Amino acid sequence: QSVLTQPPSVSAAPGQKVSISCSGSSSNIGNNYVSWYQQVTGAAPKLLIYENNKRPSGIPDRFSGSKSGTSATLGITGLQTGDEADYYCGTWDTSLSGVVFGGGTKVTVL
Amino acid sequence: EVQLVESGGGLVQPGGSLRLSCAVSGFTFSSYWMYWVRQAPGKGLVWVSRINGDGTTTSYADSVKGRFTISRDNAKNTVYLQMNSLRAEDTAVYYCARDLGLQSGDYFDYWGQGTLVTVSS
Repeated sequence: QSVLTQPPSVSAAPGQKVSISCSGSSSNIGNNYVSWYQQVTGAAPKLLIYENNKRPSGIPDRFSGSKSGTSATLGITGLQTGDEADYYCGTWDTSLSGVVFGGGTKVTVL
Repeated sequence: EVQLVESGGGLVQPGGSLRLSCAVSGFTFSSYWMYWVRQAPGKGLVWVSRINGDGTTTSYADSVKGRFTISRDNAKNTVYLQMNSLRAEDTAVYYCARDLGLQSGDYFDYWGQGTLVTVSS
């Protein structure tokens, strides 16, 4: 049972948009920045978003992040087959004094 | 080029010990917090431990506290995870990761390829 809650899966056709939610509480998302990671099968995770909505160099602007209250959302527009992967949200939890992740969301491109 | 290379994984019996290493290159190692994150087969990411740049501050997940010890050797550009009293539930791929370096939070911008630890009799 993960501290942060994500939907197990989302899917859409190529070119469409998907949104992945990440729900937490005041001890984590509510008072800390959120990051997002992409993990292609068999590979290490890759940082997509940090500080809620900032993208590292090299991450296309098709990926976006937002936060409101105790929830965060990752958006992917112009969906491509290469976007098929698991996506994880993460943040610091003040009560647990540690980093917490969501359970992951599998994105399928139909 | 930034590189992180883990080693030391393998098969160990319950109650046994293992030391993982993560050798890094391509950046000023002593300036960055380093982390260990694990992933059980078919499961999600779980934070394990972290250590600051000079090795004086460490944190652990409750599930490993008292059993695992993180350390670093800045002269060797290497971070370690000493794992004792291993349990079946510690079976996972263990990744080391570098922190992005912002004061605002913990963001992992570089990851190693992971090393598999299997705890089984």
